[in-house]
Amino acid sequence: DGGITQSPKYLFRKEGQNVTLSCEQNLNHDAMYWYRQDPGQGLRLIYYSQIVNDFQKGDIAEGYSVSREKKESFPLTVTSAQKNPTAFYLCASSRRDIGGDEQYFGPGTRLTVT
Amino acid sequence: GQNIDQPTEMTATEGAIVQINCTYQTSGFNGLFWYQQHAGEAPTFLSYNVLDGLEEKGRFSSFLSRSKGYSYLLLKELQMKDSASYLCALRGGYSTLTFGKGTMLLVSP
Repeated sequence: DGGITQSPKYLFRKEGQNVTLSCEQNLNHDAMYWYRQDPGQGLRLIYYSQIVNDFQKGDIAEGYSVSREKKESFPLTVTSAQKNPTAFYLCASSRRDIGGDEQYFGPGTRLTVT
Repeated sequence: GQNIDQPTEMTATEGAIVQINCTYQTSGFNGLFWYQQHAGEAPTFLSYNVLDGLEEKGRFSSFLSRSKGYSYLLLKELQMKDSASYLCALRGGYSTLTFGKGTMLLVSP
């Protein structure tokens, strides 16, 4: 079965700690994306990557970092510099810049920082 | 920048038809997507419009008017499982998406 996996589903951390969220896809997609969703808000783009070893900042990249060493994997690190890290984090992938190809989303990781 | 507006909440009755509107202001975009998201789950793709007009997919249809900055999602023969949030999103460069805040639809018996 092709798809996107994110782990863990729920994550709890203490303030001041960095935490890395996993995202893996076996859809052979070139492009991958990270979004954040807060209650009552739409999804906001954190980072995206069109090819391996290249990534771009989205609208709210401050306090986050990513890497893209493999086509299948796009981990997101939430650093202690992120002022409001508690949120629902969604990873997505798509074929690269092709017309109406939709983004496929993973199940999400709900991060709580106290 | 882009600004996307959707109603926050809507209610409808099982079996009825509901139209969810999306208006936007943008300097340019490559298409408009509609996604469905059940609470605590991932968004799933519903429809995509790049040209003006109506796209139909089973019980769901989506319409786009670029000149009016307006789209709508039409859901027919509503079912209880259609209770969800519906997200309008504009496709920009590199296939990035800018989402509206979503419309929470509650379907009652």
